[in-house]
Amino acid sequence: KQEVTQIPAALSVPEGENLVLNCSFTDSAIYNLQWFRQDPGKGLTSLLLIQSSQREQTSGRLNASLDKSSGRSTLYIAASQPGDSATYLCAVPLGSSNTGKLIFGQGTTLQVKP
Amino acid sequence: DVKVTQSSRYLVKRTGEKVFLECVQDMDHENMFWYRQDPGLGLRLIYFSYDVKMKEKGDIPEGYSVSREKKERFSLILESASTNQTSMYLCASSSSVEADTFGSGTRLTVV
Repeated sequence: KQEVTQIPAALSVPEGENLVLNCSFTDSAIYNLQWFRQDPGKGLTSLLLIQSSQREQTSGRLNASLDKSSGRSTLYIAASQPGDSATYLCAVPLGSSNTGKLIFGQGTTLQVKP
Repeated sequence: DVKVTQSSRYLVKRTGEKVFLECVQDMDHENMFWYRQDPGLGLRLIYFSYDVKMKEKGDIPEGYSVSREKKERFSLILESASTNQTSMYLCASSSSVEADTFGSGTRLTVV
């Protein structure tokens, strides 16, 4: 059974720091991996999608890497800003195809202090 | 630019009421999903649908039903609302080649 874990559960950093959020999964036969952002009381916004054949994806100050063999993904945020404060969730599809049914981690809540 | 629309941001309903949560997507996606999100439990899949008129149970379908009469619309129904169904409900859609897109969520309180 696929399980997704995110560490740490919460993180507080001063503005300007580079930081790394971690995501691990137990079954390496994944189709893809997604990183989402969730602001308090809001829905999920897709940040990055990494296909199983890819090693990383970049969008602006965000870089996500994927190492299937070790069951890990990291989300790197460069030069953090207070506007980056949110909960970050990673998710993988159930099974080895793109079923759309996602298994989520519990999320990392990030606070960036001015 | 809104792609997945959930009809209500906040709802307050009484115990025993029948509750309808509506979700509409404009991306012509085949797949649609309903999740609920609770503190400490994360997101859990309630029901999903791969096509019109089709539905399948997710991890926690008890107390819920769904309807998909048109490709773009997926409704979640609480047949008789209970206080333990107080939660954030999130709708999502996807296709076989695109990432999942989520709506803005409906915060349901059952009193």
